[in-house]
Amino acid sequence: DAGVIQSPRHEVTEMGQEVTLRCKPISGHDYLFWYRQTMMRGLELLIYFNNNVPIDDSGMPEDRFSAKMPNASFSTLKIQPSEPRDSAVYFCASRPSRQGLSEAFFGQGTRLTVV
Amino acid sequence: RKEVEQDPGPFNVPEGATVAFNCTYSNSASQSFFWYRQDCRKEPKLLMSVYSSGNEDGRFTAQLNRASQYISLLIRDSKLSDSATYLCVVNTDNYGQNFVFGPGTRLSVLP
Repeated sequence: DAGVIQSPRHEVTEMGQEVTLRCKPISGHDYLFWYRQTMMRGLELLIYFNNNVPIDDSGMPEDRFSAKMPNASFSTLKIQPSEPRDSAVYFCASRPSRQGLSEAFFGQGTRLTVV
Repeated sequence: RKEVEQDPGPFNVPEGATVAFNCTYSNSASQSFFWYRQDCRKEPKLLMSVYSSGNEDGRFTAQLNRASQYISLLIRDSKLSDSATYLCVVNTDNYGQNFVFGPGTRLSVLP
């Protein structure tokens, strides 16, 4: 398996533009997570899905952020309109639905810069 | 109080040294615990899970103290390649929905 795949790896955009980040989880994993990482706030959970259904989006900072998971192999995180304070590394992670100790596998991240 | 707290470091140690990190968590209902490692400009990767009785993986030893609500990571015989940020991760339920990361402790192993 290729692991969790994210695209693009880097994105530079102007303030006010729409940004769409993409994620392909590991096949067979029921949980998908979107995280944001900054120097100031560390790694923060934005939203997670179970079997393509959003379960907890309490970490989504504002209405400008939205996430979808139309099928088991694809998810998007959209920011519209983007602002400079959205600049961060956005990670997608997936894990199987299994009781007990089970690790989350991360994608390589999308480094977003909003200017 | 933050859910998961760590000393950000940096810890600068010579090669061959033994170094220990602690992590405290606030939710007494937390059920599973992990240490992740993150290299500069890379994604976090699982280093080891932390079992109630403590566990060892080569030069790495993890321990859990539920009474005091902390976990620890001990690295023996440090290598240059151990230089990274070590993230403490706590789940408050056994299915892992609430996967809370600490801010990380930065380690630099010096030649």
